[in-house]
Amino acid sequence: DADVTQTPRNRITKTGKRIMLECSQTKGHDRMYWYRQDPGLGLQLIYYSFDVKDINKGEISDGYSVSRQAQAKFSLSLESAIPNQTALYFCATSDTAFNTGELFFGEGSRLTVL
Amino acid sequence: GENVEQHPSTLSVQEGDSAVIKCTYSDSASNYFPWYKQELGKGPQLIIDIRSNVGEKKDQRIAVTLNKTAKHFSLHITETQPEDSAVYFCAARYNKLIFGAGTRLAVHP
Repeated sequence: DADVTQTPRNRITKTGKRIMLECSQTKGHDRMYWYRQDPGLGLQLIYYSFDVKDINKGEISDGYSVSRQAQAKFSLSLESAIPNQTALYFCATSDTAFNTGELFFGEGSRLTVL
Repeated sequence: GENVEQHPSTLSVQEGDSAVIKCTYSDSASNYFPWYKQELGKGPQLIIDIRSNVGEKKDQRIAVTLNKTAKHFSLHITETQPEDSAVYFCAARYNKLIFGAGTRLAVHP
């Protein structure tokens, strides 16, 4: 089983719908992240959490919200999806400050908003 | 703001040749430079990293070089194999980890 599991792996939805992407990890890491990947733009940080009571905005948090339900679970929500949120979303974990240590990524959730 | 530029965006080589991917960064205070490899349908995976107190680091067929004065760093893959085909991302960090846009490497048998 993967150490970082994302569900769903693929989702097609319509404009205005609420969507939740879920992430769970078995690595025992405190730090969890949500990234968005667009062709030609690399990976952009949406939100990150250093522990259960800590939530921080990343570079592109507008239109997104997160919930850290437990050390192992970090979910990303799109309250009202729009077409330009069509992208590949990655959850990641690390056991040190994300700017010094290795990030462990899930396999991604491909979201299409029609 | 902080920025990382990565070139080329695509790279095609013959098996056995070398491949070089270059990145430049804007924040001179950046002190950590990882490289990630993303295979088709998978998440990125760290393959090598370098810190600002080191000029070069090698791990078997891959190496990374860092030029702090010029603010650029490069990934070198020697004796490329088809399984090296993937998207490669560089990144640089001081306060935040900033990723480059990625290079799609194709190694042809």
